[in-house]
Amino acid sequence: GEDVEQSLFLSVREGDSSVINCTYTDSSSTYLYWYKQEPGAGLQLLTYIFSNMDMKQDQRLTVLLNKKDKHLSLRIADTQTGDSAIYFCAERQGSGNTGKLIFGQGTTLQVKP
Amino acid sequence: DTAVSQTPKYLVTQMGNDKSIKCEQNLGHDTMYWYKQDSKKFLKIMFSYNNKELIINETVPNRFSPKSPDKAHLNLHINSLELGDSAVYFCASSPLGTRATEQYFGPGTRLTVT
Repeated sequence: GEDVEQSLFLSVREGDSSVINCTYTDSSSTYLYWYKQEPGAGLQLLTYIFSNMDMKQDQRLTVLLNKKDKHLSLRIADTQTGDSAIYFCAERQGSGNTGKLIFGQGTTLQVKP
Repeated sequence: DTAVSQTPKYLVTQMGNDKSIKCEQNLGHDTMYWYKQDSKKFLKIMFSYNNKELIINETVPNRFSPKSPDKAHLNLHINSLELGDSAVYFCASSPLGTRATEQYFGPGTRLTVT
């Protein structure tokens, strides 16, 4: 957790955009991920970005990567109540079968109707 | 057709007991992991196995012993349970290779030590 940091809580209104931010420390990370955890459930991979990319868009999700500042963000357009969950940023350290994910502490997204 | 499954989903036990959590994946993946999520939702890797071989062993007390009878299974045995072991334990698996190596998580096992 000390390698990846996120704000703990974000509240938005339904229909607004949500932006969840994350900072990481390992400049050699090759992949960065966003996972979603709904109450009582496991983690679901939402999207990932390779470190040589600046942006990746997938339907309502936009990932922005600023490698110089080691900053990653996840934007959710037209946020719905079903998007309420905890969102985890993760960086991949190491390679091959010794690679491991280092997670942030998670950002709880609350979507108000 | 569950991809990564864990049993049991809930486990309540007393201090000092020994317990096991089982994990199975039917994705044909080579690598499996155990993670611990504490009460503050902080998620940290404990172990990883690749094709039954231990690859990653983070700073975990030796009361925790993973066992992989085959590459589709990774069980976690915990001896002499302590109050601080209370957490949600997640199993995950991933394919081997140079792709993103995204990990697929099981639903978690909530362990409560009283």
